Amino acid sequence: QVTLRESGPALVKPTQTLTLTCTFSGFSLSTSGMCVSWIRQPPGKALEWLARIDWDDDKYYSTSLKTRLTISKDTSKNQVVLTMTNMDPVDTATYYCARIPGTYNYGYFDYWGQGTLVTVSS
Amino acid sequence: EIVLTQSPDTLSLSPGERATLSCRASQSVSSSYLAWYQQKPGQAPRFLIYGASSRATGIPDRFSGSGSGTDFTLTISRLEPEDFAVYYCQRYGSSSYSFGQGTKLEIK
Repeated sequence: QVTLRESGPALVKPTQTLTLTCTFSGFSLSTSGMCVSWIRQPPGKALEWLARIDWDDDKYYSTSLKTRLTISKDTSKNQVVLTMTNMDPVDTATYYCARIPGTYNYGYFDYWGQGTLVTVSS
Repeated sequence: EIVLTQSPDTLSLSPGERATLSCRASQSVSSSYLAWYQQKPGQAPRFLIYGASSRATGIPDRFSGSGSGTDFTLTISRLEPEDFAVYYCQRYGSSSYSFGQGTKLEIK
């Protein structure tokens, strides 16, 4: 059974750095082809892809946000961490982590966490 | 960057009716890398369709996807009460992903 769960602060101040952790089970990020991504959704708005990390530690970022994002993994802990610097109120959103079963196809997210709402406010 | 535009923004239908949701890409998208998701209020997206037309595990066969190139369609053959939600299309290419703005399927 594949599960993912996001954790991190619910409130951050402008200019601060956000650190989110995705803890997953039911698969391993050491399996060839497996990947985990972060996706966010501002209240009432559409989904936006942020970053992806692969089993071989390759990393990919949204072009518009890449200067602010860092994704990393701890395979032994089954965790993926996303940091986003210089937070702004427009970054207020629900942040999701999701699995990409790259062994079959890199093109979709088959399992999602329940999401964590991050509010940016002073 | 390839932009996905979904239409209509809102679709009002009754249970039992057929729903047709459109997703148009600004450039050609590989059918292998076009997916659809369903999202209900307060919930994470649910994976429905991959490869433009293949249903994910456990998805009822009233959901079907079709299309190629720049035009893709999600069809729900006979709406059930639980199908009323927001639907997103999503593409992958050049190591990046993008989503459409969503179509809200509401009860008429």
